[in-house]
Amino acid sequence: GDSVTQMEGPVTLSEEAFLTINCTYTATGYPSLFWYVQYPGEGLQLLLKATKADDKGSNKGFEATYRKETTSFHLEKGSVQVSDSAVYFCALSGRLGGYQKVTFGTGTKLQVIP
Amino acid sequence: DSGVTQTPKHLITATGQRVTLRCSPRSGDLSVYWYQQSLDQGLQFLIQYYNGEERAKGNILERFSAQQFPDLHSELNLSSLELGDSALYFCASSGGTGSSYNSPLHFGNGTRLTVT
Repeated sequence: GDSVTQMEGPVTLSEEAFLTINCTYTATGYPSLFWYVQYPGEGLQLLLKATKADDKGSNKGFEATYRKETTSFHLEKGSVQVSDSAVYFCALSGRLGGYQKVTFGTGTKLQVIP
Repeated sequence: DSGVTQTPKHLITATGQRVTLRCSPRSGDLSVYWYQQSLDQGLQFLIQYYNGEERAKGNILERFSAQQFPDLHSELNLSSLELGDSALYFCASSGGTGSSYNSPLHFGNGTRLTVT
């Protein structure tokens, strides 16, 4: 079945450091890939997405590229801020039978210190 | 604002009791998903509905049940509660129709359940 593997956290970075959170996936067909972010006390919200191979999703300075050859969708940001401290979830979505199937990774907690 | 409404925000109850969590999906979304998030932050998929029909089941205990009503709101019923059921319960919705098998999920802010 489908699966998503994320790097384990927590990840602790200083402000303005470069961020990479690794995500790899296993899936049949041609899924779409997503990054969601969960700030403390809130639900998950969509950060960015990519729907086909070589697509790059971007939002709020974050980027991720859909790499079919390496089955990866790593999240990057050039300069993190304290306000980026949150839990980040990688996810894939596709079709199973007649309905949408969504698979989440386990989440990676990011802590940015001033 | 995701457009997904969950009530109540907090619930404190005793072991052995039964509670009902409610979710109103984003306007126009036909699919509803329920997730449980424990303190170690992982998201456990419980169950999925599409337009009133159950479509997929995850790690949902037999003590738990859910349904989606004709107006598309959904309820998650938790019975014979145990201490280990204390967690955040999230509802999410998506379009999920036709070619939109890749629609993003829209999450509510969750219901925090504490079983004492």
